[in-house]
Amino acid sequence: SQTIHQWPATLVQPVGSPLSLECTVEGTSNPNLYWYRQAAGRGLQLLFYSVGIGQISSEVPQNLSASRPQDRQFILSSKKLLLSDSGFYLCAWSKGGSQETQYFGPGTRLLVL
Amino acid sequence: DQQVKQNSPSLSVQEGRISILNCDYTNSMFDYFLWYKKYPAEGPTFLISISSIKDKNEDGRFTVFLNKSAKHLSLHIVPSQPGDSAVYFCAASEIRGKLIFGQGTTLQVKP
Repeated sequence: SQTIHQWPATLVQPVGSPLSLECTVEGTSNPNLYWYRQAAGRGLQLLFYSVGIGQISSEVPQNLSASRPQDRQFILSSKKLLLSDSGFYLCAWSKGGSQETQYFGPGTRLLVL
Repeated sequence: DQQVKQNSPSLSVQEGRISILNCDYTNSMFDYFLWYKKYPAEGPTFLISISSIKDKNEDGRFTVFLNKSAKHLSLHIVPSQPGDSAVYFCAASEIRGKLIFGQGTTLQVKP
């Protein structure tokens, strides 16, 4: 069966510090991978998605970037965090193609102070 | 422009009764719809989905209804249980499997 991991679970970072959140998927190959953010009291906003190694699509302009160095690894980064980057970050995977369900990881809660 | 809307931020029902969560969408190109359940500080859990070629899909206590002409989606939970208390998100899929999520509805099931 497939499993998706995210770490860390919780992170408190000062403004201006760098960020690296990691997501890995087990039990499948060549998945589509996604990064979402849920701000407090709001829905899920798609930040990035990837259909393959090195292929990243950005959905919204922002202070963040994503990379996919390996087939089942997806990394969310920032060089300098802003207060507005605080939120709950979720990684998800799907088999790709149309009408495919996305499955989510446990999430990382980021608090920027 | 919010393409998927959940207009009720919260819903409270009595245990054993039916919970009905609603979702509206604007993009007629959406061809796949999903419901997720989310507890605080956890990732969403997939509940049930429906393709645009169907109007109903049932899985145990959960049934999803799709009205394409009205661009309306609903999730019925019967009977509701206290463990169903969570935030429920509807989502619609466009090309390449990208999901557009609603804002979520918080369901509280009272014992």
